[in-house]
Amino acid sequence: QKEVEQDPGPLSVPEGAIVSLNCTYSNSAFQYFMWYRQYSRKGPELLMYTYSSGNKEDGRFTAQVDKSSKYISLFIRDSQPSDSATYLCAMRRGETNFNKFYFGSGTKLNVKP
Amino acid sequence: NAGVTQTPKFQVLKTGQSMTLQCAQDMNHNSMYWYRQDPGMGLRLIYYSASEGTTDKGEVPNGYNVSRLNKREFSLRLESAAPSQTSVYFCASSERRSNQPQHFGDGTRLSIL
Repeated sequence: QKEVEQDPGPLSVPEGAIVSLNCTYSNSAFQYFMWYRQYSRKGPELLMYTYSSGNKEDGRFTAQVDKSSKYISLFIRDSQPSDSATYLCAMRRGETNFNKFYFGSGTKLNVKP
Repeated sequence: NAGVTQTPKFQVLKTGQSMTLQCAQDMNHNSMYWYRQDPGMGLRLIYYSASEGTTDKGEVPNGYNVSRLNKREFSLRLESAAPSQTSVYFCASSERRSNQPQHFGDGTRLSIL
């Protein structure tokens, strides 16, 4: 079993919809959680970075972490065609293993005009 | 804002040929990484360098070598390319602290015939 699970999609929504992207994980030692957006033929671009449980908002994006359920989410409000991309979740432990990041396999999102 | 720069962007090799992929970052980060990304398998760590002068194996190091030339540059070498090494290769960098995320380049698309 992978340490980080992510539904590959594709997820297709109409423009303006609220999108919910999710990852589950098995290791309770994870404390730092990231969401990356990857456009076709580009590298992953950091979108959101959160520590421990709770919510973080940045414009139309909200990252949510529920450590008790080992579940993280990325919400996109008022989705736009330009949000069409693959979204990767990533996580890492706390004070040890600084260089070990665990990635989901990505969810492909298509926002239709 | 160059960030992480990878060269070349595309390359086609024949089986048995050798090649070096180059990566440079201008963010003064201590840690650098090489990943490969294959459909359905997400990002897999090949090698990383926690700081200048050190390198360590990741999840899939066989068939690859790396050199941390200085703080800015981290190269990946395929000594005898095999078709199984056809992939998209990403370089990333980060600060060597637990609360810092990775930043990625735009990748090198490598095909081995």
